[in-house]
Amino acid sequence: DAGITQSPRHKVTETGTPVTLRCHQTENHRYMYWYRQDPGHGLRLIHYSYGVKDTDKGEVSDGYSVSRSKTEDFLLTLESATSSQTSVYFCAISRTAGNTIYFGEGSWLTVV
Amino acid sequence: GQQLNQSPQSMFIQEGEDVSMNCTSSSIFNTWLWYKQDPGEGPVLLIALYKAGELTSNGRLTAQFGITRKDSFLNISASIPSDVGIYFCAGPTNAGNNRKLIWGLGTSLAVNP
Repeated sequence: DAGITQSPRHKVTETGTPVTLRCHQTENHRYMYWYRQDPGHGLRLIHYSYGVKDTDKGEVSDGYSVSRSKTEDFLLTLESATSSQTSVYFCAISRTAGNTIYFGEGSWLTVV
Repeated sequence: GQQLNQSPQSMFIQEGEDVSMNCTSSSIFNTWLWYKQDPGEGPVLLIALYKAGELTSNGRLTAQFGITRKDSFLNISASIPSDVGIYFCAGPTNAGNNRKLIWGLGTSLAVNP
């Protein structure tokens, strides 16, 4: 298994509260990604990072921010959670861009 | 923009049957990736294809990189209950140094023991 740890694995939060999901890797891969997965929409890229402090938006970035201060950690923050952000969030890593990526086990977030 | 179309969307088969699914694109891909997602887990890479016409196997799974480079196929022979899950195809965009993967919506497979 790829050395990817997501935390928390499950969280229930209230609308309007901030939430941070953490992804930690031990593979020293350059690229890290945050996806969300929803029924009927498949996997959608939120943000990605191509190096420390280098990040860019994906296709569904509104309402999310990210930070990468170290190679091994990629944080996803919901500044003010909304019910539409209830989803399963997957972190992924890759050694090179646009090539094989490896996923974490997912973080289930429910916004009530 | 580039899109991947997977079909069928879902399949319900009997144990022991063979399964075929495919992924098509309106544009050319240089790499095709097939992933499987078990319930409650993250997707896991099954097979990676890098050359048009390439046929690669992984146990009972066989994937092919279409000769037109616009499609790929995944076959599962003699299905078993643990084949249940969602199968995704993916391929890289051609945009710049920070290429990203484009994903199909998945084929959901159910196997009746």
